[in-house]
Amino acid sequence: EAQVTQNPRYLITVTGKKLTVTCSQNMNHEYMSWYRQDPGLGLRQIYYSMNVEVTDKGDVPEGYKVSRKEKRNFPLILESPSPNQTSLYFCASSFQEQSSYNEQFFGPGTRLTVL
Amino acid sequence: RKEVEQDPGPFNVPEGATVAFNCTYSNSASQSFFWYRQDCRKEPKLLMSVYSSGNEDGRFTAQLNRASQYISLLIRDSKLSDSATYLCVVNMYSGYSTLTFGKGTMLLVSP
Repeated sequence: EAQVTQNPRYLITVTGKKLTVTCSQNMNHEYMSWYRQDPGLGLRQIYYSMNVEVTDKGDVPEGYKVSRKEKRNFPLILESPSPNQTSLYFCASSFQEQSSYNEQFFGPGTRLTVL
Repeated sequence: RKEVEQDPGPFNVPEGATVAFNCTYSNSASQSFFWYRQDCRKEPKLLMSVYSSGNEDGRFTAQLNRASQYISLLIRDSKLSDSATYLCVVNMYSGYSTLTFGKGTMLLVSP
């Protein structure tokens, strides 16, 4: 089944404790992206990657890191989480063919709480 | 500044009603447009793309007016299962996609 998977789905942690949220897709997509969704603010892009070893900042990159060592994986790293990073996180992926109508497929989301 | 604005919600409608969602976008260079659906606590999923000539998929009709920078979604004969949040999404494509999401409009269809 074609899908984007994220782990963990739920995480409660404490301020300053490094964590990684994994994201993996099995559709051979070049493009991957991380979003956070907060009430009243909608979905905001954190980082994106156009292909292996190519990453760039989105709208809200502060406090986050990413890596793209393999095409299928795009982990999100919080080196020192803070309470304002409590949010619902989505990973997404899509093809990057010569079309602006490529559908983005989203993972099921990771609900993170930082105490 | 990139921005996508949607009607504030929620919209409460009875089954069988017709409901319309409106969306405006600020960047005239935007190239493609979508409506995504998001169920409570779930991931967004593509509902339909929006093409310049307008397009229909069953009970759903999407329209685009590039001159007014306006997108709409019409749902006819609403079903209980249509209850969800509808996200207007605009794409700036320059070799790769940069999606900008509206904040979404919640639809509640009641019996």
